[in-house]
Amino acid sequence: AQSVTQLGSHVSVSEGALVLLRCNYSSSVPPYLFWYVQYPNQGLQLLLKYTSAATLVKGINGFEAEFKKSETSFHLTKPSAHMSDAAEYFCAVSGSGGKLIFGQGTELSVKP
Amino acid sequence: DADVTQTPRNRITKTGKRIMLECSQTKGHDRMYWYRQDPGLGLRLIYYSFDVKDINKGEISDGYSVSRQAQAKFSLSLESAIPNQTALYFCATSDPGQGFSGELFFGEGSRLTVL
Repeated sequence: AQSVTQLGSHVSVSEGALVLLRCNYSSSVPPYLFWYVQYPNQGLQLLLKYTSAATLVKGINGFEAEFKKSETSFHLTKPSAHMSDAAEYFCAVSGSGGKLIFGQGTELSVKP
Repeated sequence: DADVTQTPRNRITKTGKRIMLECSQTKGHDRMYWYRQDPGLGLRLIYYSFDVKDINKGEISDGYSVSRQAQAKFSLSLESAIPNQTALYFCATSDPGQGFSGELFFGEGSRLTVL
């Protein structure tokens, strides 16, 4: 069975600082992995996805994530945080039948 | 107009009442899903449907039922609402042509409060 664990329910960074949101997965088959972002009062939208083409995946708004099979990780990073990055971020893995299994979410706060 | 539309966006109801949340989509996707979001628990799958004649239970289907009225419409019902069903509910769609790598497209959510 597939599962996802996000380390840290809240992360706070200063504007301009590095953003690092951690995600570890468990999967019995080669995984497809996703990061979604949820802005206040909105639905989720896709930031980026890993589908085995390349281990370093670039997404929207300057975010990227690296798939590390040996560490079963898919951490999300952004070199320089912006105030507009404040949101909740969800890591997800593709489960059986094409369903997505989500992590618990990490709320990112950005301080001026 | 949004590609995935949920109604109502907000609803307050009382314990024991029947509630229906509706979802319609213009993306032409066969696959539709209902998720529930609770703080600290992420999103959990309630039901999903891969086409009009296919309905499947997710991980937390107890207390819920669904109806797939057409390719574009997927409704979630709470037959007798209880307070622990207070949550934010999301409808989503995906393109089966993408297989397991396909992303989900979400509606804006329906916030349900059961008193």
